[in-house]
Amino acid sequence: NAGVMQNPRHLVRRRGQEARLRCSPMKGHSHVYWYRQLPEEGLKFMVYLQKENIIDESGMPKERFSAEFPKEGPSILRIQQVVRGDSAAYFCASSPSNRLNTGELFFGEGSRLTVL
Amino acid sequence: GENVEQHPSTLSVQEGDSAVIKCTYSDSASNYFPWYKQELGKRPQLIIDIRSNVGEKKDQRIAVTLNKTAKHFSLHITETQPEDSAVYFCAASSVTTGYALNFGKGTSLLVTP
Repeated sequence: NAGVMQNPRHLVRRRGQEARLRCSPMKGHSHVYWYRQLPEEGLKFMVYLQKENIIDESGMPKERFSAEFPKEGPSILRIQQVVRGDSAAYFCASSPSNRLNTGELFFGEGSRLTVL
Repeated sequence: GENVEQHPSTLSVQEGDSAVIKCTYSDSASNYFPWYKQELGKRPQLIIDIRSNVGEKKDQRIAVTLNKTAKHFSLHITETQPEDSAVYFCAASSVTTGYALNFGKGTSLLVTP
């Protein structure tokens, strides 16, 4: 059973460009969470999604950031018009449906975004 | 929302000594408290967790204690080894929030031989 798959692992963008980060949850998992980790800092919750639904986006910046988890395909975190402050590691995590949920989140290896 | 505070931010111990990391949380509805270990450049990985109906849990050299009244929980690592060196994160969540974990800022543990 493959773990949480994130791509790209590393992404370099110039200011003003768009960044798209993809996350495929573990097989059988229907809940996806995105976290941002700035250098030397902790994991900041951004958004929690289930298939075709955003459940909690309280950690998402109000502008330029969006997330989706379509019925088919991976979850995507999209950052428009990137700025240097967006440089960070973005981690995706998944968990199974509530009935099977123990609370543990399974993390991907992260996507490291560098904005020049 | 939930606010998780973690101390200390850095901790250096000699190999064989014990290490203790402490966290407090603010939301009394939180009922799940995991600890994650993150090595440099790697993903966070669960090392131990505890639920609100339990006061203490142990797994070999690591243990976690929870005081619900005081809203704090701690990680204890005994007989530390150099490979324990990493950043450790505490977190809190509840089923009512869909288990969206709120993390502390992390403790960088260095175990010197």
